[in-house]
This record gives sequence, structure tokens and C-alpha cells, in this order.
Amino acid sequence: GAVVSQHPSWVICKSGTSVKIECRSLDFQATTMFWYRQFPKQSLMLMATSNEGSKATYEQGVEKDKFLINHASLTLSTLTVTSAHPEDSSFYICSARPRSGMVEPQHFGDGTRLSIL
Amino acid sequence: DQQVKQNSPSLSVQEGRISILNCDYTNSMFDYFLWYKKYPAEGPTFLISISSIKDKNEDGRFTVFLNKSAKHLSLHIVPSQPGDSAVYFCAATPPGNTPLVFGKGTRLSVIA
Repeated sequence: GAVVSQHPSWVICKSGTSVKIECRSLDFQATTMFWYRQFPKQSLMLMATSNEGSKATYEQGVEKDKFLINHASLTLSTLTVTSAHPEDSSFYICSARPRSGMVEPQHFGDGTRLSIL
Repeated sequence: DQQVKQNSPSLSVQEGRISILNCDYTNSMFDYFLWYKKYPAEGPTFLISISSIKDKNEDGRFTVFLNKSAKHLSLHIVPSQPGDSAVYFCAATPPGNTPLVFGKGTRLSVIA
């Protein structure tokens, strides 16, 4: 079936480092990809919607200069956490919606656990 | 403002019995509802969905019921198996290419 690959799965780095997370749809084209953040015991909070070839749409309260999103192709979106600080430590998950635009199914990556020291 | 609410953070059920997970929503524009299952350190996996034109959808051991007037949906798992132990997220979306809105999840533990 359709698969979304997210890399890396776990990152530990020092404060001030920029970290790039990749999200790839492996066997389908994804016009739209979504980036979520999950804190412990909380829901998945939508950060931004990424559309191929255009600027990402950020949710209220999410700093676009802090969380840079690039959707360069129909199979790849990247999230870069710039100058990461301990409060950015979280579980980041991407999802991709097939090009048909149908709601179902929306496939998720396995997430990236980001730990900032 | 939580548009999708899962008021039970956890649920324990004996193996072989029925598990019932509940979800309430407030946005009357939502017309598509989904349930996802999530294991630790993994992304959510799609389980089952239902459109607002239906009130029931069944897939094997999983059945989702939708009560539009009450803005309530539920996921029934029967019989429950230990491998069903996970966090279950309810999600909803209005028409169009819009993001899913998730509840906070319910941790299901199926005890052998």
C-alpha cells in the first residue's frame, strides 16, 4: 500500500542547531502534505499545510521563519527547524494526501522525535 | 477551542469483549470522520472512516457509528484483541482539501 517515509526518526542536537526533517511519499504523488507536532499525551496539532510549488500555509501561532517548509516536488516536503531551542523538542509527524485530493486515505510518516539539549 | 473531543483518555477492556471509543465534535461543517490507531514512536495508521451521509460503516472487527444530531461518533472493536492496544485518534474534516482536526486520543488497553 501507499507509504510515507519520514527521516530521520530521531534527532538529538545542541541548542542553536538547525534541523531538517524530510517527508516522502513513496508510491504516490502528494499535492498536499501536512506537518503536525505532538506533545506528550496531547493531540496532533497541525503546524502547516504544504502545497507543491507554492508557499506553505501556517496555522496561527506557528512561526514561519522558525519552521521553514519546502514542498519542492510531488513526493517530497521538508521541515527545517531553524536555530532550535529546548522548547522545540517534540514529536513531528508529516502526512500526505494523494493527488486526487480525496480525504481518504491520508497517510502518515512514522514521525521524528526531536530532542534539543 | 477543541473542535474534536475524546473525553476518555484511557480505556481498559478484557480480550474478547467489545471496546467502545467515543468522540464528539462541535463544528457542524465537518462531513468526514476518520479513526486512526497509533503505536508509540510511530505515525498514525488509518483504520476506518465514515461520511456524513452514512450512520454506520463496518470493516471486519471495526465499526464506526455516526450520530449527526448529537455530533457524536464511536468506534466499536469486537472482539478486542491484545494487539489492539494502542492510542486511537478520532479526526474530522470539512469538505474540500482541508487538514484533519484530531482529538486528543484514547489509550486502549486490551487485557488478556
